[in-house]
Amino acid sequence: AQSVTQPDIHITVSEGASLELRCNYSYGATPYLFWYVQSPGQGLQLLLKYFSGDTLVQGIKGFEAEFKRSQSSFNLRKPSVHWSDAAEYFCAVVPFSGGYNKLIFGAGTRLAVHP
Amino acid sequence: DVKVTQSSRYLVKRTGEKVFLECVQDMDHENMFWYRQDPGLGLRLIYFSYDVKMKEKGDIPEGYSVSREKKERFSLILESASTNQTSMYLCASSSTVQGSFQETQYFGPGTRLLVL
Repeated sequence: AQSVTQPDIHITVSEGASLELRCNYSYGATPYLFWYVQSPGQGLQLLLKYFSGDTLVQGIKGFEAEFKRSQSSFNLRKPSVHWSDAAEYFCAVVPFSGGYNKLIFGAGTRLAVHP
Repeated sequence: DVKVTQSSRYLVKRTGEKVFLECVQDMDHENMFWYRQDPGLGLRLIYFSYDVKMKEKGDIPEGYSVSREKKERFSLILESASTNQTSMYLCASSSTVQGSFQETQYFGPGTRLLVL
């Protein structure tokens, strides 16, 4: 079945450590790819997106993500995590190009940051 | 900056009540969406609208209806609230570029609804 998978439900890292959040999708064609962040009690904020071109995408708050077609992955990374990065992170895809394209979300990864 | 506002942050209703959730965007976006968010399930699309008075069912429309009388406003209606509709409800909007919907969706802060 077509889906978006975030394998890690919870991740805990120490402040200053590096971070990688995983996202895999199972669609035939390369979808449009997004990462959103949701701070406690807030709506979703777009971190970055990939439509085409350079497979390494830079986003806000020091985040980046790399699209790997061969692995059907779009992992989110940050070299040094700050306590304010504690939040829930959602990977999302739009499976097709053209016409109405539904945004499909993964289940989310909740990030905790130890001081 | 795009601003999407939702009428309530928290709402408590009783089973069987009719519930209205309002969403307003200020960026003249053509498209508006209603999602519900549940732990472990991510966000699931309830309904969306790509124009005034137009609506399309999403993945989980049962028990919900919507109304879009003005471009900036999109309402979600629970005709007869049930306890399994206790959830976080998120509204989003996006523009249309060249007839496609791939533009970024901007989200409101959410309404946490509790049905007793």
